[in-house]
Parts: sequence; structure tokens; C-alpha cells
Amino acid sequence: AQKITQTQPGMFVQEKEAVTLDCTYDTSDPSYGLFWYKQPSSGEMIFLIYQGSYDQQNATEGRYSLNFQKARKSANLVISASQLGDSAMYFCAMREYYGGSQGNLIFGKGTKLSVKP
Amino acid sequence: NAGVTQTPKFQVLKTGQSMTLQCAQDMNHEYMSWYRQDPGMGLRLIHYSVGAGITDQGEVPNGYNVSRSTTEDFPLRLLSAAPSQTSVYFCATTSGASGANVLTFGAGSRLTVL
Repeated sequence: AQKITQTQPGMFVQEKEAVTLDCTYDTSDPSYGLFWYKQPSSGEMIFLIYQGSYDQQNATEGRYSLNFQKARKSANLVISASQLGDSAMYFCAMREYYGGSQGNLIFGKGTKLSVKP
Repeated sequence: NAGVTQTPKFQVLKTGQSMTLQCAQDMNHEYMSWYRQDPGMGLRLIHYSVGAGITDQGEVPNGYNVSRSTTEDFPLRLLSAAPSQTSVYFCATTSGASGANVLTFGAGSRLTVL
């Protein structure tokens, strides 16, 4: 079974609008962390935001926020006021603190976001 | 401060050839790893190391060898390249594979096996 599921292979959003990228995860480990990375067309992997399983509040970093719904095992990335430079692949990843993945990051398959002017 | 340096950036091999992808980091990170990225597959872990002299297999280790003789370097060896190993390879490091420690990635190495 997939540990990280990103159900949207591709999405479009109008410039200046907000967009939500979906991520669901599967773990029985009570302690874990969730990460989002951005990969622009140039290919580098850029860390965006982190949420710990015990964090009480949703993480925010500038225009990025993470909508963490623990009971539903979802960790959706919300980008507010989209910009043309937000066009990229976005990857959700999970680290299980005590699980079989030995602390390694497990990645989803990604969502390609295209921002329209 | 270079961070994570991968070489080469591009490589074309013929089936059966061998080569080594180099990864060097100057952040004194204990943890280093190799991922491969294929279209529609996300990033999959090949091998990782939690310190000099310690390596372990990830999700897709077949066809690849690693060693970690120093903290700074973590080379990935393809002993007999196959077309299925055509991919983009990323080296990634962090101070420790725990908590909120963020993986820092190299720029990637694009490998084509003919």
C-alpha cells in the first residue's frame, strides 16, 4: 500500500488565486513528520514546509500553509495568492520516527501545478 | 558553502557499462541518501547511510552499490548499467533522519542508459 498518496497528477490555478494540493498518508506510527517540497522545471528540490504529528497548529511559511487533519490522515498544502513562479512539481513526503522506514523520507508521486496568467 | 555537490550532471552510458555518481557535502551531515526520480513515480530511496562505515538499502537497491568511507562523500555505483536505470538521481543529506530535520538535495544527475 502506498504510504503517501497525491491524487492530483496535474492542476491549474489562476494567478493570484489560492490552490490546495492534496496529500494523504498511511502510517501506524504515532510519531511522524510531513514535508512538502517544490521542484521547478530547473530540477532542484526545494523544501517548503514541515508539520509534526504532535504539532497543535497548522504550519505556515509565508504564502504556504499546511492543512493538517490528523484523523483523516491528510496534509494538504495551501498556496495563497498564486504566482507564475509557483508553477512546478510539488511532492509530499513523510518521515516515520519509529516505523520501518528508519527515518527516511517517503515521497508521493507528485502534483504538477501550472499557474495561468 | 557548496552544500551538496553531485557530479556528473549528465551522463550517457551503454548497457553493461559501469559508472559512479559522486556526492559530496560540506555540512558535516551524518545522514546521506540516494534517490531516483522517474516520471509518475516520485522519488524512491535507493541506499542511505547514517554515518561513515554504515550503509543500508532503501526501496530500490538492486543494481546499485554504495560505500561511505568519509562523512563528506557517498558515491553511488552502477556495476552493469541497464536501460531501466535511466533516471534522475538525487543525493540528499540531513544532520539526522529524525524529527523535523530537513533533507537538503543536490542538483541531480541525469543518467541515460542506451
